[in-house]
Amino acid sequence: AQSVTQLDSHVSVSEGTPVLLRCNYSSSYSPSLFWYVQHPNKGLQLLLKYTSAATLVKGINGFEAEFKKSETSFHLTKPSAHMSDAAEYFCVVSDPDGTASKLTFGTGTRLQVTL
Amino acid sequence: DAGVTQSPTHLIKTRGQQVTLRCSPKSGHDTVSWYQQALGQGPQFIFQYYEEEERQRGNFPDRFSGHQFPNYSSELNVNALLLGDSALYLCASSWWGRQSDEQYFGPGTRLTVT
Repeated sequence: AQSVTQLDSHVSVSEGTPVLLRCNYSSSYSPSLFWYVQHPNKGLQLLLKYTSAATLVKGINGFEAEFKKSETSFHLTKPSAHMSDAAEYFCVVSDPDGTASKLTFGTGTRLQVTL
Repeated sequence: DAGVTQSPTHLIKTRGQQVTLRCSPKSGHDTVSWYQQALGQGPQFIFQYYEEEERQRGNFPDRFSGHQFPNYSSELNVNALLLGDSALYLCASSWWGRQSDEQYFGPGTRLTVT
């Protein structure tokens, strides 16, 4: 079974400083990995995805993540936080079963951005 | 291009009742997945439908059942509601056979069981 572990349940940064949200994964397959963001009272939005192409993946709103197979990690970063980045972030692994797939979510990291 | 839509937005039910939630996938998508998100937790996979059949199921009891219609829309039914069924229910759509593609999520239905 595949799984993801988000190492921090809550991260607080000042506006304009870098963001690092950590994620480790466990997979028997060559995984597809995603980061989704959930703003309060809104649905889940895809930030970026890794699907065995380039190991450094660029997403929306200045976010990027690096797939490191040796460390089984897929950490999310952003050079400079903005107030609008405050939200819940989920690291997700796709569990393919033939042609079906289900998503397995981490427990989430709440990002707080302060002035 | 309409995204994933869900109805109703909010729902309040009493223990023991039954509930039906509805989902329309993003235009062109043929696969619908349902997830349960309890307060403060990540979404948990319930099941996935393609060609009107349940293709995969997560660790949920038989009280949770679903259906997919020929137009790819889907329903989630929960019988004999428990207080623990209170959660945000998310529907996601995608294309069958493209595991590396993202799933598109609807805004969810907030179910409260009293």
